[in-house]
Amino acid sequence: DAGVIQSPRHEVTEMGQEVTLRCKPISGHNSLFWYRQTMMRGLELLIYFNNNVPIDDSGMPEDRFSAKMPNASFSTLKIQPSEPRDSAVYFCASSLVLGAPHNEQFFGPGTRLTVL
Amino acid sequence: SQQGEEDPQALSIQEGENATMNCSYKTSINNLQWYRQNSGRGLVHLILIRSNEREKHSGRLRVTLDTSKKSSSLLITASRAADTASYFCYGPLTGANSKLTFGKGITLSVRP
Repeated sequence: DAGVIQSPRHEVTEMGQEVTLRCKPISGHNSLFWYRQTMMRGLELLIYFNNNVPIDDSGMPEDRFSAKMPNASFSTLKIQPSEPRDSAVYFCASSLVLGAPHNEQFFGPGTRLTVL
Repeated sequence: SQQGEEDPQALSIQEGENATMNCSYKTSINNLQWYRQNSGRGLVHLILIRSNEREKHSGRLRVTLDTSKKSSSLLITASRAADTASYFCYGPLTGANSKLTFGKGITLSVRP
């Protein structure tokens, strides 16, 4: 298996532009997580899905952020409009079953977002 | 937030020495996990210890869990330069309103 795939790996955009980050979880995994990592705030959970259904989106910073999971093999995180403070590394992770005792998460390589 | 809080924030040791990192959490857990992150990479799962376990080993890693103190420690024995990374603890919680998240991590530097 190729692991969790994220695209793009790097994104540089200007303030006000729409940004879409993409994630393909490991085949057969039922849970998907979006995280944001910055030096100041560390690794923050933004939202997670179980069986394509959003379970907890309380970590989404504001209405400018939205996430979808139209099917078991694809998820997007969209920021519209983007702001400089959104600059961070965004990670996607997947897990076999949420809440199961062995719910190890597998992380993608991340997308480094820079908003100018 | 019910995040794990790691201690110390940064640790620098000589190759061959042991590294001990600690984690505290605030409420009940089903299990506690430790992850490693190399610079510029995603997190990689190291080891999981269940709430009914007190100690677990995996290669040069030893994890302990004290549920009465709500704390865990990760010991890396005979450290190597390749162990240089950030280490995070993660504690998925019981309860319908659990918040799943990581702390800021511990930066370990192993000097050759």
